[in-house]
Amino acid sequence: DQQVKQNSPSLSVQEGRISILNCDYTNSMFDYFLWYKKYPAEGPTFLISISSIKDKNEDGRFTVFLNKSAKHLSLHIVPSQPGDSAVYFCAARRGGSNYKLTFGKGTLLTVNP
Amino acid sequence: DAGVTQSPTHLIKTRGQQVTLRCSPKSGHDTVSWYQQALGQGPQFIFQYYEEEERQRGNFPDRFSGHQFPNYSSELNVNALLLGDSALYLCASSFGTGPYGELFFGEGSRLTVL
Repeated sequence: DQQVKQNSPSLSVQEGRISILNCDYTNSMFDYFLWYKKYPAEGPTFLISISSIKDKNEDGRFTVFLNKSAKHLSLHIVPSQPGDSAVYFCAARRGGSNYKLTFGKGTLLTVNP
Repeated sequence: DAGVTQSPTHLIKTRGQQVTLRCSPKSGHDTVSWYQQALGQGPQFIFQYYEEEERQRGNFPDRFSGHQFPNYSSELNVNALLLGDSALYLCASSFGTGPYGELFFGEGSRLTVL
């Protein structure tokens, strides 16, 4: 039972264009959502997060949108840069714990120069 | 400021053997969580240690056990290894167990079971 789903295994975009990574979840108890980025041979690094009481959070080139009714969130990267090429994981948690995250399978983003 | 460090980075074991993986949390962090990332999958929560006790556990059998030491470092032990235990094992640290505080991940220990 996969509670967090990233249905696109890979995405390829041109440098300077927008990258949109999507994530769906099934557990309505999730109240906090995060995006992590992972380069090869490195651990995942936190990118941006959003609480379920918000529908948008922005940090520089990265914006996360949350649609609670659709149980869907998306990560927008504008403009995309070659250094953004990595695997992006969507993660969710419930309750007050910061450590038990439920991850999706990840999306490999490739930004072409 | 050292981040989360894990050892060993790679190891190969055979079925039935036992393995111990080690993790030192980021400076100032007192909570350690372990995740298993199988090939093509996202990380899966194994368990979390705080104040030297296992506080919460994911859906993993008792073959997976752990320990946290007074200096907050942690070990993950897996007994009676199966082929399906082959994965990247990630350690993550944080300060406290509350809702705030970012999880910092190490580079992982890649275990191959033959």
